[in-house]
Formats: sequence, structure tokens, C-alpha cells
Amino acid sequence: KAGVTQTPRYLIKTRGQQVTLSCSPISGHRSVSWYQQTPGQGLQFLFEYFSETQRNKGNFPGRFSGRQFSNSRSEMNVSTLELGDSALYLCASSPGLAGGPTGETQYFGPGTRLLVL
Amino acid sequence: GESVGLHLPTLSVQEGDNSIINCAYSNSASDYFIWYKQESGKGPQFIIDIRSNMDKRQGQRVTVLLNKTVKHLSLQIAATQPGDSAVYFCAEGENYGQNFVFGPGTRLSVLP
Repeated sequence: KAGVTQTPRYLIKTRGQQVTLSCSPISGHRSVSWYQQTPGQGLQFLFEYFSETQRNKGNFPGRFSGRQFSNSRSEMNVSTLELGDSALYLCASSPGLAGGPTGETQYFGPGTRLLVL
Repeated sequence: GESVGLHLPTLSVQEGDNSIINCAYSNSASDYFIWYKQESGKGPQFIIDIRSNMDKRQGQRVTVLLNKTVKHLSLQIAATQPGDSAVYFCAEGENYGQNFVFGPGTRLSVLP
């Protein structure tokens, strides 16, 4: 069974640009969560999508948005990039059972490393 | 590989010894806790979890202890191996899995 895949793996952008990151979940998984990981703030929850709807949201500005397609693939978008958006962006998929993802049912991808110059 | 955190606390242990990694959590309403392992260049990998109605849970070579009184969580790794070298995170959540909040992480270094 293929794991969670994220594309691209590395990305360099400049301030003010926007970026779209993609995540393909494990086959059969319907929930996709996004996280930002930085040395200063650690791992922080961005949002979770289930059945093409945002089910949970973390405490990030509106510049961070996402969507999920009918095949459960998800994209996240960051508009008007700032230097502080440089981070590893992780996607995690889970079956989407009632109650949300658990540690055991949630599988992380390798991440997309974004560098904003 | 990629660096998860530049200034993480580091625990160095001799191969074969037991490791204890600690985590203090902040939300007294959290009822679900997870330990993750993250190797360089990879996403976090689930190790073990525990619900707040338990004090201890054991897995293969790992044990998680939960002390709700002082909001403290620990991960014990028995007979630490070189492959255990990684960054370890704890995470807490309310309502069994909603909006996990992650700790800063500890880098475990296994010495030969």
C-alpha cells in the first residue's frame, strides 16, 4: 500500500508570491490534515479536510487555505508569502472515522520544504 | 537530511541502555496523548498513544507514563538501539484526536 505522497518535496519562493502544495493520501483514506513545522514553533496544526469539507481549523491567518477533491487528494495554498512561512509543510491522512484522526490511524507524508526568500 | 529543530534538547544514551524522554503538556482538558518519532527527512511516525483514563501503556520496547496531576508525559525506550536515534514529540488533544498540539521535541542520540 503506497504511503502519503507530497509534491513538490522542495520549493523556493520569494516574498509576496503564492504557493500551492499537493498531498495524495493513502488509498481509502478520506481525511487529510495539514501541519506546519518550524524550528521555532515546532509542529502546528493548520486544518483538516474530510469529504471535501474543512472539518477542523488551527490558528493560522486566512492566507493559509486548503481544499480537498472528490478523490481525497488535497492542496493547500499560501498567498502573499512572508519570510516566516519558510517551513516544512506536512500532510497526514487518516481513514476519516467519526471523532477525528488518532495517532495510530494518521499517517504523515515526508513533507514539502518551503523556503521563502 | 533535513533538520527538524536546530535547538532541541538532546538526550544521549549508550546503545543498550534505557531511554526516558519527558514532556510537559499545558492543557488540563487534554484527554489523549501521543508519542511520535521523526527521523531526518521524514514525517512523524506514530509510536504509542494513551488516553487520560490510563496511567501507563506498554508497546514493543516502549512504555508511556501519564501523570495528570503534574501534566507530565514520559516515553521509556528499553534497550535503545541506533535505529532509535531521532526526534521524539509528544502531542496532546481534546476529545480524542481533535486538533493535536505538539510539544517542541527531544533529539535522542544513541552512542555506540
